[in-house]
Amino acid sequence: EAGVTQSPTHLIKTRGQQATLRCSPISGHTSVYWYQQALGLGLQFLLWYDEGEERNRGNFPPRFSGRQFPNYSSELNVNALELEDSALYLCASSLRGGTGTDTQYFGPGTRLTVL
Amino acid sequence: AQSVAQPEDQVNVAEGNPLTVKCTYSVSGNPYLFWYVQYPNRGLQFLLKYITGDNLVKGSYGFEAEFNKSQTSFHLKKPSALVSDSALYFCAVRVPTGRRALTFGSGTRLQVQP
Repeated sequence: EAGVTQSPTHLIKTRGQQATLRCSPISGHTSVYWYQQALGLGLQFLLWYDEGEERNRGNFPPRFSGRQFPNYSSELNVNALELEDSALYLCASSLRGGTGTDTQYFGPGTRLTVL
Repeated sequence: AQSVAQPEDQVNVAEGNPLTVKCTYSVSGNPYLFWYVQYPNRGLQFLLKYITGDNLVKGSYGFEAEFNKSQTSFHLKKPSALVSDSALYFCAVRVPTGRRALTFGSGTRLQVQP
């Protein structure tokens, strides 16, 4: 069974540009989560999508946005890139369990570098 | 608010010796606790989780963790370390209600020497 996949592996942008990152969840998973792993800041929650809707977002500005498609894949968009957006962006997927006991499985990440 | 503390930035252990990676948490209500491992330039791999029931949880690659409610701890253990266990380990917590996001600790680098 294929795991969570993310593309691209690496992305280099300049300040002010927009970045688009993509994630395909494990087959049968309907929830997708985005996390940012920045040097010195650890792993921070960005966004949670389920059944095509944004369910929750972390403490990030509105220029971080995304969407979930009918096939449950997801896209993270970062507008007006700043140098401090340079990080590893991790996507995770899980079953939509009503009790919240579901495990999140992570993809390999997209390394975003902002110059 | 929920939080996780991993008090050790790095743990060094000799191959074949037991290892412990510490984690303490703070939540309102009953916690769901997770351990993940990250190898260089890779995403996170799930090791194990505690939801309810037996306080000793067994996971992948011979790892186990013990939930201690009174000490609010969830330490990761392995009886005999391997060089290949060298990696970055993250403890995470979530509560049953509300947002589904995981709150992660700062990570502990495990170095197993041959």
